[in-house]
Amino acid sequence: EAGVTQSPTHLIKTRGQQATLRCSPISGHTSVYWYQQALGLGLQFLLWYDEGEERNRGNFPPRFSGRQFPNYSSELNVNALELEDSALYLCASSPGDRANSPLHFGNGTRLTVT
Amino acid sequence: AQKVTQAQTEISVVEKEDVTLDCVYETRDTTYYLFWYKQPPSGELVFLIRRNSFDEQNEISGRYSWNFQKSTSSFNFTITASQVVDSAVYFCALSEKRYNTDKLIFGTGTRLQVFP
Repeated sequence: EAGVTQSPTHLIKTRGQQATLRCSPISGHTSVYWYQQALGLGLQFLLWYDEGEERNRGNFPPRFSGRQFPNYSSELNVNALELEDSALYLCASSPGDRANSPLHFGNGTRLTVT
Repeated sequence: AQKVTQAQTEISVVEKEDVTLDCVYETRDTTYYLFWYKQPPSGELVFLIRRNSFDEQNEISGRYSWNFQKSTSSFNFTITASQVVDSAVYFCALSEKRYNTDKLIFGTGTRLQVFP
């Protein structure tokens, strides 16, 4: 069974540009989560999608947005990139019952903003 | 407010030593779940264990064991006879569930280095 896959592995952008990160969940998983892991800040919850809808978002500005497609894959978009957006972005998926089920993480996309 | 504290930023041990990683949590929920994840240098977080708030039994899985104590709001993780492959960052996490929304709250992680 394929795990959670994320693309690209690395992404280099300049300030002000937009970045698009992609995630494919484990087959059968309907929930997708996005986390930001910035140096020294640990893992910060960004967004949660389930059945195509945004269910919850963390304390991030609106320029962080995303969507979930009918096949449950997801995109994270970051507009007007700032230097502090440089981080490892981790996607995770889980089946229906979120609190019960552990999250399965991908290898992440390392975003560097110069 | 929900919070997870991993006070140990970094621990270094020599192979075959036992090591305990501490995790203290705060929550007002009566139903919650606690997790431990391992993040090796490759970056992917690997699920290790899930424990719900109603089950205080300790658990052992090979060289890994977990001690859950609600009285002290702690969920500590012990690696017995550590190995170099155990070197990673370990995260403790709390899952809250209220108002039909939830998210996983992570501690800041403990970096474990096991030297040969």
